Amino acid sequence: GESVGLHLPTLSVQEGDNSIINCAYSNSASDYFIWYKQESGKGPQFIIDIRSNMDKRQGQRVTVLLNKTVKHLSLQIAATQPGDSAVYFCAETIRDTGNQFYFGTGTSLTVIP
Amino acid sequence: GAVVSQHPSRVICKSGTSVKIECRSLDFQATTMFWYRQFPKQSLMLMATSNEGSKATYEQGVEKDKFLINHASLTLSTLTVTSAHPEDSSFYICSARDPGGRSTDTQYFGPGTRLTVL
Repeated sequence: GESVGLHLPTLSVQEGDNSIINCAYSNSASDYFIWYKQESGKGPQFIIDIRSNMDKRQGQRVTVLLNKTVKHLSLQIAATQPGDSAVYFCAETIRDTGNQFYFGTGTSLTVIP
Repeated sequence: GAVVSQHPSRVICKSGTSVKIECRSLDFQATTMFWYRQFPKQSLMLMATSNEGSKATYEQGVEKDKFLINHASLTLSTLTVTSAHPEDSSFYICSARDPGGRSTDTQYFGPGTRLTVL
């Protein structure tokens, strides 16, 4: 499968600060990227997605940035809250080839109250 | 939103027995479902793509005779771990795409099944 990796395995932030989680992907043909949040013992929860024809997409308190030149993806969480503590995964796929998702290694985010 | 369920949520079995895990799409029909395995503190590893009415497509290195997948209807896929051994102990997660949903490319994940083989 494709190689998707994360730069930081752990991240601790103060409550109220902004968080930035990074992800690198290796397949330049990937055209759809997704961020998931996974709490302990649960399945991944969709956060936000972005297609390769976009550079930025915003959701509620979250923003995803895509830099296709360097094959880099980031997730920004504004005003981080204790409930944001979880492991965050990025995933990549090529939409017209079966939509198999390949996940990065994950970043564990801890929010300090 | 699209909801995917799994049953059971947790199972403990003896070595050598077989275990069946069910994955259901509750409010949509899924022609394609996916099965993942996740070891502690590791990422999700795609095992296979489950196609309704046809054979599953397995990722390289995944034994198809060990992990039997059946996608008998548009809302149900099953994963059977045959002759389970302690090294098969893991968190098994399924996902499904909602072809009629707002985002047809997104996969929605089930809550996972914790398998422990003694």
